Amino acid sequence: GAVVSQHPSRVICKSGTSVKIECRSLDFQATTMFWYRQFPKQSLMLMATSNEGSKATYEQGVEKDKFLINHASLTLSTLTVTSAHPEDSSFYICSAAARGVYEQYFGPGTRLTVT
Amino acid sequence: AQKVTQAQTEISVVEKEDVTLDCVYETRDTTYYLFWYKQPPSGELVFLIRRNSFDEQNEISGRYSWNFQKSTSSFNFTITASQVVDSAVYFCALSDQSSFGNEKLTFGTGTRLTIIP
Repeated sequence: GAVVSQHPSRVICKSGTSVKIECRSLDFQATTMFWYRQFPKQSLMLMATSNEGSKATYEQGVEKDKFLINHASLTLSTLTVTSAHPEDSSFYICSAAARGVYEQYFGPGTRLTVT
Repeated sequence: AQKVTQAQTEISVVEKEDVTLDCVYETRDTTYYLFWYKQPPSGELVFLIRRNSFDEQNEISGRYSWNFQKSTSSFNFTITASQVVDSAVYFCALSDQSSFGNEKLTFGTGTRLTIIP
């Protein structure tokens, strides 16, 4: 199946700093990428949907100025957590979908810890 | 609004026992897809199955089987002869087909399955 990578897999940052997480589709062109957040022992909650070349569509309750999403190419989307705080500590997972293909392929996730 | 309910938060069974994970969904759409994913301790989601709302045939894949009953809006997952490697969190998910290639997944809260050796 298609491969989606995320980098970094783990990151620890200090409160107030910004962190960028990359999501790459390695062997297909991802016209749509999704970003999810998963708190410990909880479900995946969709944060936003991004289509290549367009602004991301954020779910209700997700601050677009805090979680900046860029989908500048068909193989790369980035999520930047700006001015991170301890409550932003979570597992962030991306998924990617190609045009005309229903399947979403998930990345391995990034564990963010804000101290 | 779409909703997926996995009433079983945690299940523990002894190895080689069969176990069924329940999933009940709500949607107003006539066309939708149902999914099951496995999330082992490593965190990576592993795709198990996708089922179209028009296909109510049960499916079997090795030790895994799925029972889709549209009348009760359920999509249950059974593991037969469970193994320790089956220990993970299992998520049921639902998406619509409103815009091809741009569907959003609604996940259930997950069922943590522990297989006791």
